[in-house]
Amino acid sequence: DIQMTQSPSSLSASVGDRVTITCRASQSISTYLHWYQQKPGEAPKLLMYSTSRLQSGVPSRFSGSGSGTDFTLTISSLQPEDVATYYCQQTYGNQLSFGGGTKVEIK
Amino acid sequence: QVQLVQSGAEVKKPGASVRVSCKASDYTFTSHGISWVRQAPGQGLEWMGWINTYNGDTEYAQKFQARVTMTTDTSTSTAYMELRSLRSDDTAVYYCARGLTGSFSDFWGQGTLVAVSS
Repeated sequence: DIQMTQSPSSLSASVGDRVTITCRASQSISTYLHWYQQKPGEAPKLLMYSTSRLQSGVPSRFSGSGSGTDFTLTISSLQPEDVATYYCQQTYGNQLSFGGGTKVEIK
Repeated sequence: QVQLVQSGAEVKKPGASVRVSCKASDYTFTSHGISWVRQAPGQGLEWMGWINTYNGDTEYAQKFQARVTMTTDTSTSTAYMELRSLRSDDTAVYYCARGLTGSFSDFWGQGTLVAVSS
């Protein structure tokens, strides 16, 4: 099975800061990598699909990049409403899997 | 607006089974697959499997292969997930989510809490 490792597991940044979250796959997954945002008490929400495609309605301060085994999610200017846990997911092959999550807080 | 509405919370004893339903609306049910994902208290997301709503094909996570069954009723646009031989560590919120079969999920249900306790 493909293991997904996210880093850091948590971070604290100031409003307006640039924030980067990393996701690493245990083997190449091409660009079959997606990002979700989950706020406390809510269901996850699709943020980005196929590495760099922004889901409809998601602010343009979110961006994604990478291919193969290394991927990043970037928030260009952190906003208070971005406080959440972010998960990557790979859909390469039939056995899907999520990263462990990155909790983002405001300093 | 696409909606996935899940059944209500359940409390089960160890060894029992639970069936969670997920009713879809405002899209053609058989055009998208349904994935099931769970989240234990304070933990991350765990993929359990998916079902192709068009032909009923399933793919289960190896961890759940022996204990889970995913089905659909296309006449009511409802997906079901049954988990058997429940243990305390199955206590979690269970989500259904829509997506192209085997792909990312663009709409999620509200979640169903399943608590397993003696």
